[in-house]
Amino acid sequence: DVKVTQSSRYLVKRTGEKVFLECVQDMDHENMFWYRQDPGLGLRLIYFSYDVKMKEKGDIPEGYSVSREKKERFSLILESASTNQTSMYLCASRTDLNEKLFFGSGTQLSVL
Amino acid sequence: DQQVKQNSPSLSVQEGRISILNCDYTNSMFDYFLWYKKYPAEGPTFLISISSIKDKNEDGRFTVFLNKSAKHLSLHIVPSQPGDSAVYFCAARGGSNYKLTFGKGTLLTVNP
Repeated sequence: DVKVTQSSRYLVKRTGEKVFLECVQDMDHENMFWYRQDPGLGLRLIYFSYDVKMKEKGDIPEGYSVSREKKERFSLILESASTNQTSMYLCASRTDLNEKLFFGSGTQLSVL
Repeated sequence: DQQVKQNSPSLSVQEGRISILNCDYTNSMFDYFLWYKKYPAEGPTFLISISSIKDKNEDGRFTVFLNKSAKHLSLHIVPSQPGDSAVYFCAARGGSNYKLTFGKGTLLTVNP
């Protein structure tokens, strides 16, 4: 069965901290994505990667960076966390040939 | 500019009746549409999709209708069940093959 695993369900960090959110998929998918979900705003794309070491900005990349050193792993980095980055973060993956995204369970990040 | 719009933030339906969730889009380049369901504290899960070359797609209790001239799609759930209570997101693909644009979601509540 398809599996996208996010390392933490809940995280609490302080303003200014560097934060790493990890995502691993076991489906050999080429494409991986990071979204954030906020009430009333839906799902917004932060970054995506269509191949190892490749990355593209989504709609709201400011304050974030990503790393994809291996095909199965896609990391989201908050360089200096701020309170407006408190959100639910969702990782997703898919193959090149199918639009269907498979999502992880999400990480609820609180920045205090 | 919001390209995928779900104008109803919430919908309440009686068990056994039909649920109709609506989605409008503005970008005529969109050629593939998907619906996702999301329970609290979980990632979204794929429900059903439709290509722009079709006007209807069915899967069990779920049917998606696409009206390209009106740039409108709808998801019908018949009969509705309490377990269908969730947030439903409409998503569209167009232009870049990698990116899905999501609506803000509609919270469906099915009352026993």
